[in-house]
This record gives sequence, C-alpha cells and structure tokens, in this order.
Amino acid sequence: DTEVTQTPKHLVMGMTNKKSLKCEQHMGHRAMYWYKQKAKKPPELMFVYSYEKLSINESVPSRFSPECPNSSLLNLHLHALQPEDSALYLCASSQPDRGNQPQHFGDGTRLSIL
Amino acid sequence: AQTVTQSQPEMSVQEAETVTLSCTYDTSENNYYLFWYKQPPSRQMILVIRQEAYKQQNATENRFSVNFQKAAKSFSLKISDSQLGDTAMYFCAFMKPYYNNNDMRFGAGTRLTVKP
Repeated sequence: DTEVTQTPKHLVMGMTNKKSLKCEQHMGHRAMYWYKQKAKKPPELMFVYSYEKLSINESVPSRFSPECPNSSLLNLHLHALQPEDSALYLCASSQPDRGNQPQHFGDGTRLSIL
Repeated sequence: AQTVTQSQPEMSVQEAETVTLSCTYDTSENNYYLFWYKQPPSRQMILVIRQEAYKQQNATENRFSVNFQKAAKSFSLKISDSQLGDTAMYFCAFMKPYYNNNDMRFGAGTRLTVKP
C-alpha cells in the first residue's frame, strides 16, 4: 500500500480549465515535494514545502500554483496549461531534518492536456 | 550543482542471474546520500537501497547491494538472483540534505528487463 496518496490517478483537461491535484500523507513528514515526470525520463523537481512553507521553486511557470494547507496535505493548482504539460505528476514526502531519510512517493497523477 | 549519470539506458538479464547497473555523480560536497529507486510499470517510485557517504561499508538489502567508491564518485547497484518482478526503470539519486529539506536529483535511469 502507498503511504502517500495522490488523487486523482488520471486527469484529462482542456487548456482553459482549472483543476487541482491533491496529495496526502500521514507519516508525520514535514517536507513535501512535487515532481513532473515525462515518459522515459527521470522525475524533475518542481516545488518543495518544508514546515508548510515554500522552500524551493524550480522556476516553474505560474500556471502551476502549489499550496500546502497543513503538514499532511499538498495541492497543485492548475490553470491554462499547455499540451507540453502533459506528464506524470508525482508527490513525495520526507523528514527534512534527518539527512538519510529517503523520500516516499505516491503513485502519481497522469495528466493529459487536450 | 550536482549531476548524476547513468550510462546504460537499457539492460537485460536472464532470470536468476546477476546484473550490475552503473551510476556516477559529480559533487564537491563531502556529506551526502545516495539512493537507488525502482519504478515498475505501475509507476510508483520504490526505494531499493540507500548509502551514506560517510560510511565505507557498502549497503546491502537482501538481493540488492551497492559498490560505493567515494573517490571515484561511483555508486553501482548489483541485483543477484534476478526475478521477473525486478523488471523496472531504475533511477540513481543524489541527495544533499539542507537545513529544511532534502533536495534529491535523479539520473536519467536504466530500463532493466528480466527475461524468463
């Protein structure tokens, strides 16, 4: 079973739609991450939240808007996306103050932009 | 910036045999961590094994072991007694822990196919 839960598993949306991806973990982790993964490529870091504060934004376009309402939840709000934004979006969590702690990943949301 | 290189885009191995996946990295840091993740077609990223740079002893997890050569900046993964369920994409990852997050960077990946 996945300890990091992502919803929805699949999402198809038009370029003018607004949608949100959700991620939830109950492992007590205080760092949460969004990654974008294109087919046959490694995950690319988008955002990092640590103690509910945005600590890394890897120059992601403003049509992606992250939100961390509390330590267990992470959202990614989507608006006016482009076809090239179609990808697998992975959420992960970890303990930020323990160096050897790995990131735990969810199953991802497969996003398709029409 | 740290870079991670996996020079083998694809590999295959017969069931029950041993295979080694290569990974090199470039960093000026002395304290860091290395990981191997697998991503089967089900798409979840699963931790296989981890290694702390300050430890000389190579990490082992059941059929999985690493050969960590710090001076050469090499971190290869050996899979013994390969099983069909080992078929997946394998990513090597470098992590330098910062004060308030663990920034992890992945290599390009190696697609491993275990043949019956």
